[in-house]
Amino acid sequence: DTAVSQTPKYLVTQMGNDKSIKCEQNLGHDTMYWYKQDSKKFLKIMFSYNNKELIINETVPNRFSPKSPDKAHLNLHINSLELGDSAVYFCASSQQDSPNTEAFFGQGTRLTVV
Amino acid sequence: GNSVTQMEGPVTLSEEAFLTINCTYTATGYPSLFWYVQYPGEGLQLLLKATKADDKGSNKGFEATYRKETTSFHLEKGSVQVSDSAVYFCALSSYGSARQLTFGSGTQLTVLP
Repeated sequence: DTAVSQTPKYLVTQMGNDKSIKCEQNLGHDTMYWYKQDSKKFLKIMFSYNNKELIINETVPNRFSPKSPDKAHLNLHINSLELGDSAVYFCASSQQDSPNTEAFFGQGTRLTVV
Repeated sequence: GNSVTQMEGPVTLSEEAFLTINCTYTATGYPSLFWYVQYPGEGLQLLLKATKADDKGSNKGFEATYRKETTSFHLEKGSVQVSDSAVYFCALSSYGSARQLTFGSGTQLTVLP
């Protein structure tokens, strides 16, 4: 029973296309995140949503737009894809009021822009 | 702001060797500290954690002690196995309305038979 699930696992697309990555968590957490992992494995937070409200929006191009229809889902939509967007994108969730508890991560979506 | 500095890799060891991966942090207040592991092709999994000074987190033979005086949380294992080959991330989390995990840069570990 997967705690944090993302789809698709692999995504290959051409430059200029628009694509979405979906994420769902069944842990009852109130906060969800999107991280980007580059080719050197460095992890950078992109967005954080708490109870469907955006609370962290790091410096990412406005071509990236998160959408949270409810607190169990956080989708990432990317417009006008560029070569530099190729990376692995991870969704995660945690409980905001308890920093002692860990974040749970999805399996990642490997995006390749050609 | 918060930051995590992690020993750069890659690290290559022979099976049964001793492992240390250094991690130091900068944070306001009293953060919780974590080690996450990422096996090839997978997402991150929590390996261990410590939530206050002098706490020792342990799991699967790995240990790390929260040292407030040196702001460190070094990961150790007495005898590594080939199956421990992965990327290891040190991270911290602190209270605040915008709580998030701050990660180190990751350390690639390869264990040779």
